[in-house]
Amino acid sequence: DAEITQSPRHKITETGRQVTLACHQTWNHNNMFWYRQDLGHGLRLIHYSYGVQDTNKGEVSDGYSVSRSNTEDLPLTLESAASSQTSVYFCASSETSPTSEQFFGPGTRLTVL
Amino acid sequence: GENVEQHPSTLSVQEGDSAVIKCTYSDSASNYFPWYKQELGKGPQLIIDIRSNVGEKKDQRIAVTLNKTAKHFSLHITETQPEDSAVYFCAASPFSGGYNKLIFGAGTRLAVHP
Repeated sequence: DAEITQSPRHKITETGRQVTLACHQTWNHNNMFWYRQDLGHGLRLIHYSYGVQDTNKGEVSDGYSVSRSNTEDLPLTLESAASSQTSVYFCASSETSPTSEQFFGPGTRLTVL
Repeated sequence: GENVEQHPSTLSVQEGDSAVIKCTYSDSASNYFPWYKQELGKGPQLIIDIRSNVGEKKDQRIAVTLNKTAKHFSLHITETQPEDSAVYFCAASPFSGGYNKLIFGAGTRLAVHP
């Protein structure tokens, strides 16, 4: 069955370190999204991609970057981790239709000490 | 840009009662409004959605209503069951350019007590 996976599921890192969170989907979806989830803020869009070599900034993109070299993967990189980036991160993917369902991964809990 | 407000933040009901969650949005260009359910330790999952040309949509015990004039939409769950306990998110998406970027509300934690 098609799925979307994230790794690692849990990560503890130190302030200033570079961190990369992986997202892999086997749906063959063109659209992929990264969100962060914080209490009181719901899900906030960090970056998104509508296809290979396409990346776009979301609401809270400062301090994050993504690259899309193939259809299946959209890794999220924290250039220099900050305590404010402690959060749960979700990756999602969807077909290109404007009303397509977004399928979410299980999430990565990141703690920056 | 789009802003979505969701109320209440927490909701506690007895099994069998109804639950209503309300959302308002700011961008009149938004034309698609999905609702997602997130169970503990999992990613959100779509449970129902509505497009702007429809006022109401039902799927068994859940229904969604949309008032475009007032820019608000609501989720209604009837005959609640303990397995309905979860966090629910509303979202809005500007229906432009063929893309489905979503702006989410802050979420409602629903607890259904047996």
